Amino acid sequence: DTGVSQDPRHKITKRGQNVTFRCDPISEHNRLYWYRQTLGQGPEFLTYFQNEAQLEKSRLLSDRFSAERPKGSFSTLEIQRTEQGDSAMYLCASSLDLEGGYTFGSGTRLTVV
Amino acid sequence: DAKTTQPPSMDCAEGRAANLPCNHSTISGNEYVYWYRQIHSQGPQYIIHGLKNNETNEMASLIITEDRKSSTLILPHATLRDTAVYYCIVRVGGAQKLVFGQGTRLTINP
Repeated sequence: DTGVSQDPRHKITKRGQNVTFRCDPISEHNRLYWYRQTLGQGPEFLTYFQNEAQLEKSRLLSDRFSAERPKGSFSTLEIQRTEQGDSAMYLCASSLDLEGGYTFGSGTRLTVV
Repeated sequence: DAKTTQPPSMDCAEGRAANLPCNHSTISGNEYVYWYRQIHSQGPQYIIHGLKNNETNEMASLIITEDRKSSTLILPHATLRDTAVYYCIVRVGGAQKLVFGQGTRLTINP
């Protein structure tokens, strides 16, 4: 296991369509995070899972966004009825404990046209 | 989480030490200082973190002032591959999320 994997790397979608992204964390990491990053800005926290439980959600995560981690392993982030403002890099990260650093994936770049 | 202040950009010559400053004057006693970097088109990469004491690992050294109101990340022998945006983050121990600022864009020049 070489790190956090995200799929797809790039996604272009038409406004109004639904999209789903997948994240495979490092296998022994029980904590998983989603972040969003727009051009020129630092990543912004979206949500956090410990095992399969979603323990925190940002106000950025509108009702069009939903994240799951059904078996405490991989996670999916779905955006319904995409808008142009959803265009961003969506980053997934995982960690083993609370103090240590996160390992981030390379992200999924979403472009809504 | 306490707010951090970093210079927007810095330059450093290849082979020299790169010293990246960070101010966190409102840091609390239970808040750690973390450093990440982000190379273009990649996810952020964890570098190092510390609470009070100076820390060193294979990537960098972290120097935290005695009053903990500022810190410096040191890349001892910068290479072109160290060109990236460097983020200084203050995080309460046990807190789940990292709050990223704008970071410092470090350019290593040949």
